[in-house]
Amino acid sequence: SAVISQKPSRDICQRGTSLTIQCQVDSQVTMMFWYRQQPGQSLTLIATANQGSEATYESGFVIDKFPISRPNLTFSTLTVSNMSPEDSSIYLCSVAPGGGQPQHFGDGTRLSIL
Amino acid sequence: GQNIDQPTEMTATEGAIVQINCTYQTSGFNGLFWYQQHAGEAPTFLSYNVLDGLEEKGRFSSFLSRSKGYSYLLLKELQMKDSASYLCAGFNDYKLSFGAGTTVTVRA
Repeated sequence: SAVISQKPSRDICQRGTSLTIQCQVDSQVTMMFWYRQQPGQSLTLIATANQGSEATYESGFVIDKFPISRPNLTFSTLTVSNMSPEDSSIYLCSVAPGGGQPQHFGDGTRLSIL
Repeated sequence: GQNIDQPTEMTATEGAIVQINCTYQTSGFNGLFWYQQHAGEAPTFLSYNVLDGLEEKGRFSSFLSRSKGYSYLLLKELQMKDSASYLCAGFNDYKLSFGAGTTVTVRA
């Protein structure tokens, strides 16, 4: 399966600042996704990162808060903007190579907002 | 849409068998995935069912009945390292919708 590198692995940020998380894959993949996992909860899909066009956001998530880039088939970024303590969570990148192959996850970014 | 339900917690003894059930309501359903997540780590893929029946992968097996909206993950010969959260996820088009996860605790 694809090797996914996500960074930073963790960060502690101040309220009101923004943080950009990077996801790099060692091979070209059709689909890339961003998830959030709040403490003690399961994964919630934030958006699908589309190569060359705007991301597709799920209900409850908006571009102004979570801008996403995907300049090519191996790289994507998620920015968490104007952070508040409620954004403290694990953010995970996943990829689906296509052809019915399962999604695989990066190691995640553990974000704490003070 | 998809509503994924699975038990919150299960406890079993080392060497035993545990079955984690998952029920779902879906439209446009394509398949069902099982992931394992150890505390503090990312989920790792375990198994995928798209057709009715049993998929066996070593100590782990997964079953699907599409007509009943039901799946289970079977863990055999439990080991201490199997203590983790097990996530059931419905696959709709290209997206996964996750259940809340079942925390399995394996006791010696």
